[in-house]
Amino acid sequence: AQTVTQSQPEMSVQEAETVTLSCTYDTSESDYYLFWYKQPPSRQMILVIRQEAYKQQNATENRFSVNFQKAAKSFSLKISDSQLGDAAMYFCAYRRGNNAGNMLTFGGGTRLMVKP
Amino acid sequence: DTEVTQTPKHLVMGMTNKKSLKCEQHMGHRAMYWYKQKAKKPPELMFVYSYEKLSINESVPSRFSPECPNSSLLNLHLHALQPEDSALYLCASSQAPGPRNTIYFGEGSWLTVV
Repeated sequence: AQTVTQSQPEMSVQEAETVTLSCTYDTSESDYYLFWYKQPPSRQMILVIRQEAYKQQNATENRFSVNFQKAAKSFSLKISDSQLGDAAMYFCAYRRGNNAGNMLTFGGGTRLMVKP
Repeated sequence: DTEVTQTPKHLVMGMTNKKSLKCEQHMGHRAMYWYKQKAKKPPELMFVYSYEKLSINESVPSRFSPECPNSSLLNLHLHALQPEDSALYLCASSQAPGPRNTIYFGEGSWLTVV
């Protein structure tokens, strides 16, 4: 079974600075997808960024980028120029790449606080 | 437009009540999902519908009964719930069931069972 681990229950960052959230996962699959979702107090899960395991290039979406280390099974999220609106719960998630890939397996989450 | 709409936003029900949670999307998505999320925990998958047919039931108790009347609507019928069923219920959808398709979530329905 796949597992996703987020070792940082809480993180804080000063506004305008950079923060990195950690995620590791365990799988025997070679084809899979990784995601970071953000859940603000409104509770809606919002997709921040996704990475296909077969792509070596790290995904980037504006101020958000990932460091995908396939051999180490590590998938960290870097938030640059942090803004107050970035404060939220962040979940790392894994999805198998074959036809059985209907399930998202989530990590336990990291609560990010942004200090003005 | 990546909107998944859930109603009601808040629901309080007694253990003998029958109620329903509703979810709607107009993105033409053919896969829809129900997740349950307890406080300070990640979401847990309950059901997956693919092309209006139930494809995954994660061993959910029968007091939760999903229904997909058409490709845009997903209901979760609730009956004889227990206080431990109190949680945030998230609906989600994706264009198709496969893993290449991004899953979009609604804002959830807060359920309190008294």
